[in-house]
Amino acid sequence: GQQLNQSPQSMFIQEGEDVSMNCTSSSIFNTWLWYKQDPGEGPVLLIALYKAGELTSNGRLTAQFGITRKDSFLNISASIPSDVGIYFCAGQSSSNTGKLIFGQGTTLQVKP
Amino acid sequence: GAGVSQSPSNKVTEKGKDVELRCDPISGHTALYWYRQSLGQGLEFLIYFQGNSAPDKSGLPSDRFSAERTGGSVSTLTIQRTQQEDSAVYLCASSLRSGVYYNSPLHFGNGTRLTVT
Repeated sequence: GQQLNQSPQSMFIQEGEDVSMNCTSSSIFNTWLWYKQDPGEGPVLLIALYKAGELTSNGRLTAQFGITRKDSFLNISASIPSDVGIYFCAGQSSSNTGKLIFGQGTTLQVKP
Repeated sequence: GAGVSQSPSNKVTEKGKDVELRCDPISGHTALYWYRQSLGQGLEFLIYFQGNSAPDKSGLPSDRFSAERTGGSVSTLTIQRTQQEDSAVYLCASSLRSGVYYNSPLHFGNGTRLTVT
Protein backbone atom coordinates (compact mmCIF):
# COMPACT_ATOMS: atom_id res chain seq x y z
CA GLY A 1 0.00 0.00 0.00
CA GLN A 2 0.91 3.65 -0.05
CA GLN A 3 3.54 4.75 2.40
CA LEU A 4 4.94 8.01 3.63
CA ASN A 5 8.57 8.09 4.67
CA GLN A 6 9.12 10.69 7.35
CA SER A 7 12.51 11.72 8.65
CA PRO A 8 14.18 12.10 10.97
CA GLN A 9 12.51 9.78 13.46
CA SER A 10 13.64 11.91 16.38
CA MET A 11 15.53 15.10 17.10
CA PHE A 12 17.05 16.51 20.27
CA ILE A 13 17.94 20.16 19.91
CA GLN A 14 18.86 23.22 21.91
CA GLU A 15 16.29 25.95 22.47
CA GLY A 16 16.63 28.61 19.78
CA GLU A 17 17.81 26.25 17.07
CA ASP A 18 15.97 25.75 13.81
CA VAL A 19 14.45 22.38 12.94
CA SER A 20 13.66 20.73 9.64
CA MET A 21 11.79 17.50 8.90
CA ASN A 22 10.43 16.05 5.71
CA CYS A 23 8.20 13.44 4.14
CA THR A 24 8.46 11.64 0.85
CA SER A 25 6.07 9.43 -1.04
CA SER A 26 6.39 7.06 -3.95
CA SER A 27 3.13 8.37 -5.41
CA ILE A 28 1.76 11.79 -6.27
CA PHE A 29 -0.20 13.55 -3.55
CA ASN A 30 -2.93 16.18 -3.86
CA THR A 31 -2.78 17.34 -0.26
CA TRP A 32 -0.08 17.57 2.39
CA LEU A 33 -0.89 18.30 6.01
CA TRP A 34 1.37 18.70 9.02
CA TYR A 35 0.16 17.83 12.52
CA LYS A 36 1.57 18.01 16.03
CA GLN A 37 0.61 15.58 18.77
CA ASP A 38 1.07 16.21 22.49
CA PRO A 39 0.97 13.31 24.98
CA GLY A 40 -2.53 11.99 25.62
CA GLU A 41 -4.12 14.09 22.93
CA GLY A 42 -5.08 13.75 19.31
CA PRO A 43 -2.98 15.39 16.59
CA VAL A 44 -3.62 19.07 15.95
CA LEU A 45 -3.33 20.61 12.49
CA LEU A 46 -0.40 22.98 11.97
CA ILE A 47 -0.32 23.68 8.24
CA ALA A 48 -2.30 22.53 5.19
CA LEU A 49 -0.89 22.56 1.65
CA TYR A 50 -2.94 22.05 -1.51
CA LYS A 51 -0.80 23.16 -4.47
CA ALA A 52 2.52 21.93 -5.79
CA GLY A 53 5.21 24.43 -4.91
CA GLU A 54 3.06 26.10 -2.27
CA LEU A 55 5.01 27.59 0.62
CA THR A 56 2.96 28.42 3.71
CA SER A 57 3.90 29.87 7.08
CA ASN A 58 2.17 29.75 10.45
CA GLY A 59 4.15 31.80 12.94
CA ARG A 60 7.54 30.15 13.33
CA LEU A 61 6.46 27.21 11.18
CA THR A 62 6.97 27.02 7.44
CA ALA A 63 5.97 24.14 5.20
CA GLN A 64 6.24 23.49 1.49
CA PHE A 65 4.44 21.22 -0.95
CA GLY A 66 7.16 19.79 -3.17
CA ILE A 67 7.07 20.66 -6.87
CA THR A 68 7.08 16.95 -7.78
CA ARG A 69 4.02 16.46 -5.51
CA LYS A 70 5.85 13.59 -3.85
CA ASP A 71 7.37 15.38 -0.89
CA SER A 72 6.92 18.07 1.74
CA PHE A 73 9.01 19.63 4.45
CA LEU A 74 8.30 21.44 7.71
CA ASN A 75 10.67 23.95 9.26
CA ILE A 76 10.45 25.34 12.77
CA SER A 77 12.53 28.41 13.45
CA ALA A 78 13.91 29.52 16.83
CA SER A 79 12.56 26.49 18.70
CA ILE A 80 11.12 26.89 22.19
CA PRO A 81 10.41 24.27 24.88
CA SER A 82 6.70 24.05 24.01
CA ASP A 83 7.60 22.83 20.52
CA VAL A 84 8.25 19.44 22.13
CA GLY A 85 6.00 16.74 20.73
CA ILE A 86 5.52 14.40 17.81
CA TYR A 87 5.12 15.90 14.36
CA PHE A 88 3.30 13.98 11.64
CA CYS A 89 2.99 14.58 7.97
CA ALA A 90 -0.16 13.36 6.26
CA GLY A 91 -1.05 13.14 2.63
CA GLN A 92 -3.84 12.28 0.28
CA SER A 93 -2.86 10.44 -2.86
CA SER A 94 -4.48 11.28 -6.17
CA SER A 95 -5.14 7.60 -6.74
CA ASN A 96 -7.38 6.72 -3.83
CA THR A 97 -10.79 7.49 -2.38
CA GLY A 98 -9.70 10.54 -0.44
CA LYS A 99 -8.32 8.89 2.67
CA LEU A 100 -5.36 10.48 4.40
CA ILE A 101 -2.32 8.44 5.31
CA PHE A 102 0.25 9.47 7.90
CA GLY A 103 3.99 9.33 8.23
CA GLN A 104 5.60 7.59 11.20
CA GLY A 105 6.25 10.85 13.02
CA THR A 106 9.22 12.91 14.15
CA THR A 107 9.71 13.18 17.90
CA LEU A 108 11.13 16.55 18.84
CA GLN A 109 12.79 17.29 22.16
CA VAL A 110 14.01 20.78 23.01
CA LYS A 111 16.57 21.42 25.69
CA PRO A 112 16.09 24.76 27.45
CA GLY B 1 -17.53 24.97 19.25
CA ALA B 2 -17.44 21.33 20.26
CA GLY B 3 -14.68 19.22 18.82
CA VAL B 4 -14.59 15.54 18.03
CA SER B 5 -15.67 13.55 21.07
CA GLN B 6 -14.64 9.95 21.71
CA SER B 7 -15.79 7.58 24.41
CA PRO B 8 -14.69 5.92 26.51
CA SER B 9 -11.34 7.62 26.97
CA ASN B 10 -9.92 4.42 28.43
CA LYS B 11 -11.06 0.83 28.08
CA VAL B 12 -9.55 -2.25 29.66
CA THR B 13 -10.94 -5.55 28.48
CA GLU B 14 -10.13 -9.21 28.70
CA LYS B 15 -8.84 -11.10 25.72
CA GLY B 16 -11.72 -12.56 23.74
CA LYS B 17 -14.29 -9.95 24.71
CA ASP B 18 -15.94 -7.59 22.24
CA VAL B 19 -15.57 -3.81 22.57
CA GLU B 20 -17.33 -0.83 21.06
CA LEU B 21 -15.68 2.55 20.67
CA ARG B 22 -17.76 5.62 19.94
CA CYS B 23 -17.01 8.79 17.99
CA ASP B 24 -19.10 11.96 17.79
CA PRO B 25 -17.75 14.07 14.93
CA ILE B 26 -17.98 17.82 14.60
CA SER B 27 -21.47 18.81 13.51
CA GLY B 28 -21.72 19.23 9.76
CA HIS B 29 -18.58 17.27 8.95
CA THR B 30 -19.27 14.78 6.21
CA ALA B 31 -16.04 12.77 6.41
CA LEU B 32 -15.11 10.55 9.37
CA TYR B 33 -11.96 8.53 9.86
CA TRP B 34 -10.70 5.93 12.30
CA TYR B 35 -6.99 5.47 12.91
CA ARG B 36 -5.04 3.26 15.28
CA GLN B 37 -1.88 4.37 17.04
CA SER B 38 0.28 1.82 18.79
CA LEU B 39 2.75 2.96 21.43
CA GLY B 40 5.40 5.17 19.85
CA GLN B 41 4.10 4.55 16.36
CA GLY B 42 2.45 6.55 13.63
CA LEU B 43 -1.21 6.58 12.76
CA GLU B 44 -2.46 3.48 10.99
CA PHE B 45 -5.48 4.10 8.77
CA LEU B 46 -8.44 1.83 9.52
CA ILE B 47 -11.61 3.07 7.82
CA TYR B 48 -13.01 6.21 6.21
CA PHE B 49 -16.60 7.34 5.70
CA GLN B 50 -17.52 10.12 3.26
CA GLY B 51 -21.15 11.16 3.10
CA ASN B 52 -23.36 8.45 1.66
CA SER B 53 -20.56 6.74 -0.26
CA ALA B 54 -19.50 3.22 0.58
CA PRO B 55 -16.82 3.39 3.28
CA ASP B 56 -13.18 2.73 2.46
CA LYS B 57 -12.45 -0.27 4.67
CA SER B 58 -9.06 -1.01 3.20
CA GLY B 59 -7.22 -0.43 6.48
CA LEU B 60 -9.18 -2.78 8.73
CA PRO B 61 -6.64 -5.39 9.91
CA SER B 62 -9.01 -8.35 10.13
CA ASP B 63 -12.66 -9.33 9.97
CA ARG B 64 -12.85 -8.89 13.74
CA PHE B 65 -12.91 -5.15 13.09
CA SER B 66 -15.98 -3.35 11.81
CA ALA B 67 -17.37 0.16 11.90
CA GLU B 68 -20.60 1.86 11.10
CA ARG B 69 -21.77 5.41 10.87
CA THR B 70 -25.40 5.99 11.64
CA GLY B 71 -27.30 8.88 10.10
CA GLY B 72 -24.10 10.34 8.75
CA SER B 73 -23.03 11.39 12.22
CA VAL B 74 -22.00 9.16 15.14
CA SER B 75 -19.68 6.27 14.37
CA THR B 76 -18.97 3.08 16.29
CA LEU B 77 -15.86 0.96 15.85
CA THR B 78 -16.38 -2.61 17.02
CA ILE B 79 -13.63 -5.10 17.73
CA GLN B 80 -14.78 -8.66 18.26
CA ARG B 81 -12.86 -11.32 20.17
CA THR B 82 -10.16 -8.85 21.17
CA GLN B 83 -6.53 -9.91 21.13
CA GLN B 84 -3.60 -8.42 23.01
CA GLU B 85 -2.18 -6.99 19.80
CA ASP B 86 -5.33 -4.87 19.52
CA SER B 87 -4.08 -2.76 22.43
CA ALA B 88 -3.56 0.76 21.11
CA VAL B 89 -5.04 4.24 21.04
CA TYR B 90 -7.94 4.44 18.60
CA LEU B 91 -8.31 7.92 17.16
CA CYS B 92 -11.33 9.30 15.37
CA ALA B 93 -11.21 12.36 13.12
CA SER B 94 -13.71 14.28 11.06
CA SER B 95 -13.44 16.82 8.29
CA LEU B 96 -15.83 19.16 6.52
CA ARG B 97 -15.46 17.28 3.26
CA SER B 98 -13.04 15.12 1.40
CA GLY B 99 -12.69 13.41 -1.91
CA VAL B 100 -10.32 12.28 -4.59
CA TYR B 101 -9.11 15.79 -5.34
CA TYR B 102 -9.47 17.68 -2.08
CA ASN B 103 -9.38 17.12 1.66
CA SER B 104 -10.43 19.57 4.30
CA PRO B 105 -8.10 19.25 7.29
CA LEU B 106 -8.91 16.52 9.79
CA HIS B 107 -9.88 17.38 13.35
CA PHE B 108 -9.03 14.65 15.83
CA GLY B 109 -10.55 13.50 19.07
CA ASN B 110 -8.34 12.60 22.01
CA GLY B 111 -8.70 8.90 21.34
CA THR B 112 -9.73 5.80 23.24
CA ARG B 113 -6.87 3.94 24.87
CA LEU B 114 -7.69 0.24 24.62
CA THR B 115 -5.84 -2.27 26.76
CA VAL B 116 -6.48 -5.96 26.22
CA THR B 117 -5.31 -8.12 29.11
